[in-house]
Amino acid sequence: DAGVIQSPRHEVTEMGQEVTLRCKPISGHDYLFWYRQTMMRGLELLIYFNNNVPIDDSGMPEDRFSAKMPNASFSTLKIQPSEPRDSAVYFCASSLVASSYNEQFFGPGTRLTVL
Amino acid sequence: KQEVTQIPAALSVPEGENLVLNCSFTDSAIYNLQWFRQDPGKGLTSLLLIQSSQREQTSGRLNASLDKSSGRSTLYIAASQPGDSATYLCAVETGANNLFFGTGTRLTVIP
Repeated sequence: DAGVIQSPRHEVTEMGQEVTLRCKPISGHDYLFWYRQTMMRGLELLIYFNNNVPIDDSGMPEDRFSAKMPNASFSTLKIQPSEPRDSAVYFCASSLVASSYNEQFFGPGTRLTVL
Repeated sequence: KQEVTQIPAALSVPEGENLVLNCSFTDSAIYNLQWFRQDPGKGLTSLLLIQSSQREQTSGRLNASLDKSSGRSTLYIAASQPGDSATYLCAVETGANNLFFGTGTRLTVIP
């Protein structure tokens, strides 16, 4: 398996523009997570899905952020409108729950810069 | 809310030394604890996962211990190599797939 795939790897946009980040989880994994990493706050969970259904979105910072998982192999994180403070690295991760073992596998991340 | 702290924030050691990275967490009701490695500009690679019922896990030169009651974990790296240079993150899962990350320890192994 190629692991968790994220695109684009880098995104530079201007304030006010819509940004869409994409993620393909590892095939067969039940859970998909979106994280944001900044120097100030470290890694934070934004939202996670189980079997394509959003379970906990309490980490989504504002209504400008939305995430969807239309099928088991694809998820998007959208920011509309984007602001400079959204600049961060966004990671997608997936996991396969087998009994109590719950290791998360991370994608390479998307580095977002909002000017 | 769970808080995870890693000390030190940065560490430099000469090649060949054994070293210990520390992680502490405030709520001992955890599901498991994971240690990750992050190379500059890259994603996270899982190194070791310790379930709440376990006390340690080993993989090669790495050994991670967990003392849930005191809210501490350590990552021991034996015979460090320059290729071990990276940022090491610990994360605790408090159930419901919620991982709380520490801010990491940036390790530099000097040849």
